[in-house]
Amino acid sequence: AQTVTQSQPEMSVQEAETVTLSCTYDTSESDYYLFWYKQPPSRQMILVIRQEAYKQQNATENRFSVNFQKAAKSFSLKISDSQLGDAAMYFCAYRSAWGKLIFGQGTELSVKP
Amino acid sequence: NAGVTQTPKFRVLKTGQSMTLLCAQDMNHEYMYWYRQDPGMGLRLIHYSVGEGTTAKGEVPDGYNVSRLKKQNFLLGLESAAPSQTSVYFCASSSGVGDTHGYTFGSGTRLTVV
Repeated sequence: AQTVTQSQPEMSVQEAETVTLSCTYDTSESDYYLFWYKQPPSRQMILVIRQEAYKQQNATENRFSVNFQKAAKSFSLKISDSQLGDAAMYFCAYRSAWGKLIFGQGTELSVKP
Repeated sequence: NAGVTQTPKFRVLKTGQSMTLLCAQDMNHEYMYWYRQDPGMGLRLIHYSVGEGTTAKGEVPDGYNVSRLKKQNFLLGLESAAPSQTSVYFCASSSGVGDTHGYTFGSGTRLTVV
């Protein structure tokens, strides 16, 4: 069975600085997708970024980028120029080509002004 | 577009009471899911459906039942609520196997069982 692990329950970053959230996963499949979701205090689940496993190029979305290391089964999220609005719970998630979304435990990010 | 709508948003139940959470989506999605979110455990899948009239168990199905009588609706039932079911519940939908864009989530239901 696939598993997703986020080993950092909490992280903190100074406004305008860069922070990296870690995620590792375990799978025997070769075709899958990885996601980072943001959950602000409103509880809404917001898709931040996605990565297809077959793509070697790391995905980027404005200030958000990933470091996808397929062999190491690692999928970290880098937030550049952190803003107060980035404060939230962040979830890493895995989905096989046909399967269900499996989530990590989450990382609570705080941004200090 | 409403997307995925969950009702109610908050509810307090007494132990042993029953209730139904309603999830409705207007995107004509085939697949629908119910998750629960607990501190330090992320979101865990309770039940899911791959089409109208179908349901299947997820990771933590005990104490819950579901029904998908209409494609747009997915109901989650608690027959006899227990304090261990205090949680935030999320409904989600996707278009199916070929959908690589993750899920569309509802805004969640905070349930407290006392």
